[in-house]
Amino acid sequence: GAVVSQHPSRVICKSGTSVKIECRSLDFQATTMFWYRQFPKQSLMLMATSNEGSKATYEQGVEKDKFLINHASLTLSTLTVTSAHPEDSSFYICSATGDKNIQYFGAGTRLSVL
Amino acid sequence: DQQVKQNSPSLSVQEGRISILNCDYTNSMFDYFLWYKKYPAEGPTFLISISSIKDKNEDGRFTVFLNKSAKHLSLHIVPSQPGDSAVYFCAASAPGWGKLQFGAGTQVVVTP
Repeated sequence: GAVVSQHPSRVICKSGTSVKIECRSLDFQATTMFWYRQFPKQSLMLMATSNEGSKATYEQGVEKDKFLINHASLTLSTLTVTSAHPEDSSFYICSATGDKNIQYFGAGTRLSVL
Repeated sequence: DQQVKQNSPSLSVQEGRISILNCDYTNSMFDYFLWYKKYPAEGPTFLISISSIKDKNEDGRFTVFLNKSAKHLSLHIVPSQPGDSAVYFCAASAPGWGKLQFGAGTQVVVTP
């Protein structure tokens, strides 16, 4: 299957700082990538759809100014959590659509805001 | 609005036996269904998928069954192995959507 790399795997930051998470498709081009958030023992919640060369499409209730998404190339999308607060602590996962419309996921990023 | 439902939060099965995971959906527009496996602190791994034009798809130990009239699908794992212990998510997509709607997941524990 296709490989999606996500970095960093874990980040701890102070409240008020910004954190950038990268998502790369390693062996295929992805015009569309997705960003999810998962709370403990809950399902994956889609935050936004990242489209190469255009603005991201955010799901209802997700603050676009809080979670900045950039999809500058066909292999890279970034999620920046701006002015992070403890309630932003979560597990963030990206995915990219490969062949047969299957979404392949990165390993996830555990964000802890102190 | 939970369009994809996995009503069993957990399942315990003995090694070598069959694991059956169930998933129900409400949106009749869904035409593509996937199962993912997830370990703690990792991203989901794709297992198997099925298009609505089929009622069964098999890949090794994994078989997915789709009953469109009942809006129900199931994943069978046989024989179950200890390494199968994980959370399994059912997901669905509609034409032109691109995005997936996930169920809440079922924690499977395979005991020796």
